Amino acid sequence: DAGVIQSPRHEVTEMGQEVTLRCKPISGHNSLFWYRQTMMRGLELLIYFNNNVPIDDSGMPEDRFSAKMPNASFSTLKIQPSEPRDSAVYFCASSLEYASGANVLTFGAGSRLTVL
Amino acid sequence: AQTVTQSQPEMSVQEAETVTLSCTYDTSESNYYLFWYKQPPSRQMILVIRQEAYKQQNATENRFSVNFQKAAKSFSLKISDSQLGDTAMYFCAFCRGTGTASKLTFGTGTRLQVTL
Repeated sequence: DAGVIQSPRHEVTEMGQEVTLRCKPISGHNSLFWYRQTMMRGLELLIYFNNNVPIDDSGMPEDRFSAKMPNASFSTLKIQPSEPRDSAVYFCASSLEYASGANVLTFGAGSRLTVL
Repeated sequence: AQTVTQSQPEMSVQEAETVTLSCTYDTSESNYYLFWYKQPPSRQMILVIRQEAYKQQNATENRFSVNFQKAAKSFSLKISDSQLGDTAMYFCAFCRGTGTASKLTFGTGTRLQVTL
């Protein structure tokens, strides 16, 4: 099991550019989460998917952010256009959800985004 | 809404000693789960320990144990025989026990430094 795989590990871009972060969840997991970590705000949930369907995107900061999960093994988080305040570490996590809920999330190594 | 509070921004402990990290939370839920995650300098979020609120017995994982006080809404982490590799940020997290997914609400973290 290779764990949750995120790419790129580091991304430096200029303001206004499009950024796409990628995530491959653990095979067999049915839920996927995107978190953002900053010094000021800590770890925030941006969006989560269950069975490839977006369930709650209330944490997505604004329309510049979008996320997709076209299949069970791949998700993207896109920022267009990017701004310096988007600089953060973006984590993807996956889990196998049971009916009773509250299961262990496995996190990827994160993608550090720097917007100049 | 649930909140998680970690009142100790930084702590230090000598190798082989014991240290306790504090966490309190606020919720009206009766069924929920609590977690401690570790984030070493590598940035990877690693699950340390998980506690189910309906279980009175405190969870333990090797050198890591919790003191779960449900009435007081307290969930502290005790690290025994501290090792240099325990140096990391430690995050307490809360998750509802019902609902559609395991959305975690994180505290702000405690930076633990293990010294020789």
